[in-house]
Amino acid sequence: GAGVSQSPRYKVAKRGQDVALRCDPISGHVSLFWYQQALGQGPEFLTYFQNEAQLDKSGLPSDRFFAERPEGSVSTLKIQRTQQEDSAVYLCASSPLRGSGNQPQHFGDGTRLSIL
Amino acid sequence: QKEVEQDPGPLSVPEGAIVSLNCTYSNSAFQYFMWYRQYSRKGPELLMYTYSSGNKEDGRFTAQVDKSSKYISLFIRDSQPSDSATYLCAMSRIQGAQKLVFGQGTRLTINP
Repeated sequence: GAGVSQSPRYKVAKRGQDVALRCDPISGHVSLFWYQQALGQGPEFLTYFQNEAQLDKSGLPSDRFFAERPEGSVSTLKIQRTQQEDSAVYLCASSPLRGSGNQPQHFGDGTRLSIL
Repeated sequence: QKEVEQDPGPLSVPEGAIVSLNCTYSNSAFQYFMWYRQYSRKGPELLMYTYSSGNKEDGRFTAQVDKSSKYISLFIRDSQPSDSATYLCAMSRIQGAQKLVFGQGTRLTINP
């Protein structure tokens, strides 16, 4: 399809395990964002890439969270030594960033992470 | 206090009613305002996208932005059961790709 694709859709892990979440943005989209959505809340910003450069990681809650986008396309969000409070839906969004002016972000369906 | 405040509801109205959804915000630097619709277990879907103050209409949907009051609204006319979802307001600060700041979301149910 032509939309943002995320995998896996659901992930269950035991506390202390490491997890990796994948995002395939819309083809050609320069900007890529990760958000965390807790149950009953709006998404909260985690980090932002422009091509392969991570320009903003101010929303990452701890040094256990790490994101990369090595070739400027697919991105991976990694969480080390998971904790129960990491349970949430992790959303990826992309936007084209053509010229000046803000471009709307298009979201994937997210990865629902449950930490037992 | 959160930068963006949105009543979480739930809001339940009969089919055909006009629905009004609102958000307030505190940061006057916000310039871009969006409404997203989110169905259960799906990602947010962009509905409306506006810049600065004014109105924008798209079919049954109208978005209003009042920057002087730091208040934005989404109106849905002739509401349908398929409009039942969570509606999220979002906003961002400046030009270029910038992080979105979301409200909590309002859960809306349209009863047939």
